[in-house]
Amino acid sequence: AQSVTQLGSHVSVSEGALVLLRCNYSSSVPPYLFWYVQYPNQGLQLLLKYTSAATLVKGINGFEAEFKKSETSFHLTKPSAHMSDAAEYFCAVSAASGSRLTFGEGTQLTVNP
Amino acid sequence: GAVVSQHPSRVICKSGTSVKIECRSLDFQATTMFWYRQFPKQSLMLMATSNEGSKATYEQGVEKDKFLINHASLTLSTLTVTSAHPEDSSFYICSAVLEPMNTEAFFGQGTRLTVV
Repeated sequence: AQSVTQLGSHVSVSEGALVLLRCNYSSSVPPYLFWYVQYPNQGLQLLLKYTSAATLVKGINGFEAEFKKSETSFHLTKPSAHMSDAAEYFCAVSAASGSRLTFGEGTQLTVNP
Repeated sequence: GAVVSQHPSRVICKSGTSVKIECRSLDFQATTMFWYRQFPKQSLMLMATSNEGSKATYEQGVEKDKFLINHASLTLSTLTVTSAHPEDSSFYICSAVLEPMNTEAFFGQGTRLTVV
């Protein structure tokens, strides 16, 4: 069984500040981990994914995440927030690449001017 | 990149009627597609796994007779909400797995269903 916990349903940062969205996972097998972004009334866009290669994963729009097995974490970061980053972010886990995803509860990111 | 098209993006229907939602992989073949449901301010919950040429696999608690899934080709899966009721109002999202690379799932734009 797999699960994902996102700490903080709402995160608010100032434009230009560091973005840190937290994700912890539980998996009985080596996990595949994903971060998705969702804008209102739209589907999900993949930001980045971890598939057992490099532990530091770089994604689109300046986001990156680090897989830490010892901490069962996959936190998402971006050095400098932009207004366009305001959206809902979902962390997800799967047992294998391309298989069903289990999503976290989501984190709403607000970027203040 | 791979594109998944979902149609319609919004639909309003009367209670008791049926609504069909289409999910198409535009530039790749998808043996497997997934259907998710998302309530306001909540996460995505997997409803069913759709496999081309075979019956869908439903998650526990999802009524297969109410949410009919058909995956008749490698590029199209449909979800039909039968005898819709207001509690079926939700955001439905499909995803398709890129074959044969099978590395990730691509999501449709979602369908906002409102049952009145």
